[in-house]
Amino acid sequence: ELQVVESGGGLIQPGGSLRLSCATSGFNVSGNYMTWVRQSPGKGLECVSVIYSGGRTYHAESVRGRFTISRDNSKNTLHLQMSSLTPEDTAVYYCARGGRGSPKYYAMDVWGQGTTVTVSS
Amino acid sequence: QSVLTQPPSVSGAPGQRVTISCTGSRSNIGAGYDVHWYQRLPGTAPKLLIYGNINRPSGVPDRFSGSKSGTSASLAITGLQAEDEADYYCQSYDSSHVLFGGGTKVTVL
Repeated sequence: ELQVVESGGGLIQPGGSLRLSCATSGFNVSGNYMTWVRQSPGKGLECVSVIYSGGRTYHAESVRGRFTISRDNSKNTLHLQMSSLTPEDTAVYYCARGGRGSPKYYAMDVWGQGTTVTVSS
Repeated sequence: QSVLTQPPSVSGAPGQRVTISCTGSRSNIGAGYDVHWYQRLPGTAPKLLIYGNINRPSGVPDRFSGSKSGTSASLAITGLQAEDEADYYCQSYDSSHVLFGGGTKVTVL
């Protein structure tokens, strides 16, 4: 069964750091593009980070320089290292599997239940 | 404001047909990139509803259909049911990044 399960969320003070993890099963994390998508309270979906099958990464302007997406092929796990967190980063963070090709044409077909990050003092 | 523009809300009575538009530009939908649609039921994770502009994943009822023309795409729900009350998001690609529309809340009257 194809599955992704997020972990690592929690309450963190502004300026702090947090590392999210996404355990996958049923497929190789290196064979697909993988994303972190967040939904802040009262707002829509935002794709914050993408890692392509070839290893190239892309981060949205809102998190560039603060967030880093990575994967551990040996453990089939995706990570999101977040630093310099602000209250605007408060959201539910979803891990999602993209297709085996470019996100220009391939959708995200497997989603986790999300992990909640709350940035507050 | 999202680069992909969706109406904030649409509503319809059970059995009716509703459509949700997703308006982009020449750098995303108009560039030939595919549009996908996701359904987010209250309290649940997003679910892929339509991929590649017009295709339904296995298990998605055929009352959901997608289309694309020029710089826009649409999602239609025919025979609206109470269980269709949810948020719907279009998604495409632009400037090296995955983009979502702002989302549309569908209310079943």
